Amino acid sequence: GQQVMQIPQYQHVQEGEDFTTYCNSSTTLSNIQWYKQRPGGHPVFLIQLVKSGEVKKQKRLTFQFGEAKKNSSLHITATQTTDVGTYFCAGHSGGSNYKLTFGKGTLLTVNP
Amino acid sequence: KAGVTQTPRYLIKTRGQQVTLSCSPISGHRSVSWYQQTPGQGLQFLFEYFSETQRNKGNFPGRFSGRQFSNSRSEMNVSTLELGDSALYLCASSLVGFPYTEAFFGQGTRLTVV
Repeated sequence: GQQVMQIPQYQHVQEGEDFTTYCNSSTTLSNIQWYKQRPGGHPVFLIQLVKSGEVKKQKRLTFQFGEAKKNSSLHITATQTTDVGTYFCAGHSGGSNYKLTFGKGTLLTVNP
Repeated sequence: KAGVTQTPRYLIKTRGQQVTLSCSPISGHRSVSWYQQTPGQGLQFLFEYFSETQRNKGNFPGRFSGRQFSNSRSEMNVSTLELGDSALYLCASSLVGFPYTEAFFGQGTRLTVV
């Protein structure tokens, strides 16, 4: 079945440093979503990417969808302590398949 | 608007027992998905319901079942609980289906099986 791999598993940075997490799917995706889960919280939707090569920005966050629609990345510029949490990508294979396959997430910790 | 409500928030059960978890989606949302979250396996898809119909089921044993009511509220049931069922169970609601639109997660039900 479809697998979504996410790296790194953990990332610790100093406040102000940049951070990137990468997501790779074993199959071509119809779309990909990104979620953030704060410690003790629940996943919160960040964004959805649909088009090949798509790049979207949300303030300090930049999301990319690969040309082949099999990989994606999330880059955070100048991290802040509020960025702490686990970032998940979730891929959809398309068709009448109503499920998202989640990567195992990248836990980001930020040292002030 | 009110968010997704899951009850109960915490549950402790004994092996062999059964449990029912409830999820009330955001008003107007007709799709409810259930996920199991564990430290080792991450978020694993259980099933998805839309207008009382199960459209997708994940790779979980038949002990895991669910249903959706006409008001879109959903329940999931786990029978003959095993220690490995200890997890955070999350439901997510969306307008038409998780992969196509933004989904909103509830706070989850933390199930501990002893």
